[in-house]
Amino acid sequence: ELKVEQNPLFLSMQEGKNYTIYCNYSTTSDRLYWYRQDPGKSLESLFVLLSNGAVKQEGRLMASLDTKARLSTLHITAAVHDLSATYFCAVDIGPSGNTPLVFGKGTRLSVIA
Amino acid sequence: GAVVSQHPSRVICKSGTSVKIECRSLDFQATTMFWYRQFPKQSLMLMATSNEGSKATYEQGVEKDKFLINHASLTLSTLTVTSAHPEDSSFYICSARDRVREKLFFGSGTQLSVL
Repeated sequence: ELKVEQNPLFLSMQEGKNYTIYCNYSTTSDRLYWYRQDPGKSLESLFVLLSNGAVKQEGRLMASLDTKARLSTLHITAAVHDLSATYFCAVDIGPSGNTPLVFGKGTRLSVIA
Repeated sequence: GAVVSQHPSRVICKSGTSVKIECRSLDFQATTMFWYRQFPKQSLMLMATSNEGSKATYEQGVEKDKFLINHASLTLSTLTVTSAHPEDSSFYICSARDRVREKLFFGSGTQLSVL
């Protein structure tokens, strides 16, 4: 059974600071996703990582994937209040492209002045 | 714009009634759709996999007679919560994969509140 562990689960950080969220998963997977969720809303896709060593950046967020270590990171640079949200990593459970995602528990990020 | 449409976005109902939630893929065909449930401040948990033209596959612990899934066409899956109880109150989200574009899309979610 695929397990996805995220840490930290809660993160309070000051504006302007940097931090990293970690996502470990237990079995081999082809795809890893990062999502953002605001309260009462559905998921907003941030990144899809498809291969070992993949790195993607969008604004103040950068995601990377190490398939050998079964680890993905989401790095936040110079945080701003607008980044406050819950961030989920999710892993595809199968190679067929027709399988569901298994989600981590989420990291609730609060950026304070 | 949204490529997976989910309705309604919010529903409040009395205990004992049934509620139907629709999930439509707007510009692609989805032979498989997924239904997730999310309790407050928790993660998304897979409830079932909806397969077009066949029975849904339910995750362990999900009552198939309570959560009826119908996937009668390549663009529509419905989840019916039958005889809803307050403990069914949750945020329900569907997702579907566009295999041509190789992208996964999520619906906007349905907040169900059972009084």
